[in-house]
Amino acid sequence: SYELTQPPSVSVSPGQTASITCFGDNLGDKYVCWYQHKPGQSPVLVIYQDTMRPSGIPARFSGSNSGGTATLTISGAQAPDEADYYCQTWDSSSAVFGGGTKLTVL
Amino acid sequence: EVQLVQSGAEVKKPGESLKISCKVSGYSFMTYWIGWVRQMPGKGLEWMGIIYPDDSQTTYSPSFQGQVTISVDKYFSTTYLQWSSLKTSDTAMYYCARFPRPYFDNWGQGTLVTVSS
Repeated sequence: SYELTQPPSVSVSPGQTASITCFGDNLGDKYVCWYQHKPGQSPVLVIYQDTMRPSGIPARFSGSNSGGTATLTISGAQAPDEADYYCQTWDSSSAVFGGGTKLTVL
Repeated sequence: EVQLVQSGAEVKKPGESLKISCKVSGYSFMTYWIGWVRQMPGKGLEWMGIIYPDDSQTTYSPSFQGQVTISVDKYFSTTYLQWSSLKTSDTAMYYCARFPRPYFDNWGQGTLVTVSS
């Protein structure tokens, strides 16, 4: 079955740029989306179809996907961005989630 | 406004059955897939399956095939996740979410299921 691999944790200083990666075989041939998940809340879609931002998501969130790596970039990270982030794709009629990355802003 | 409202928390014993629900509003229920996602305590998100309300076509993750049943009631714009015999390992938060494919764009608030003897 298809697998997506994320680093368990990423740290960033406030105002700096955070990059969270997601690896999968030929991932660039598939669409990738990203979710932000804070404790006690439901996941929120922050990027879909590799680079698209849903309405209401700040412009500091951006995405890319090429080769075997998708990347979520948070430019000028802020304290409210601290959360778990999950990548997700669709392969062989199955949704696949990455293991999640805990983003710490400190 | 798109809304998915899930049923409340459940506490069950091993071997008991359970059916939790997810009622949608704010869009045409019949025309979007809806999925279920599990999050076990301290773990990540896991896709369980999806259903297309118009014809009840269902696709399950291999990990959940035969373990749960996903269904819909078109007249109540509601989707259900059902277990016939719960295990302690079913203790988790369960989310429903609208699935325009290939992503989940709107999520329910989650239903916490606790299975303990």
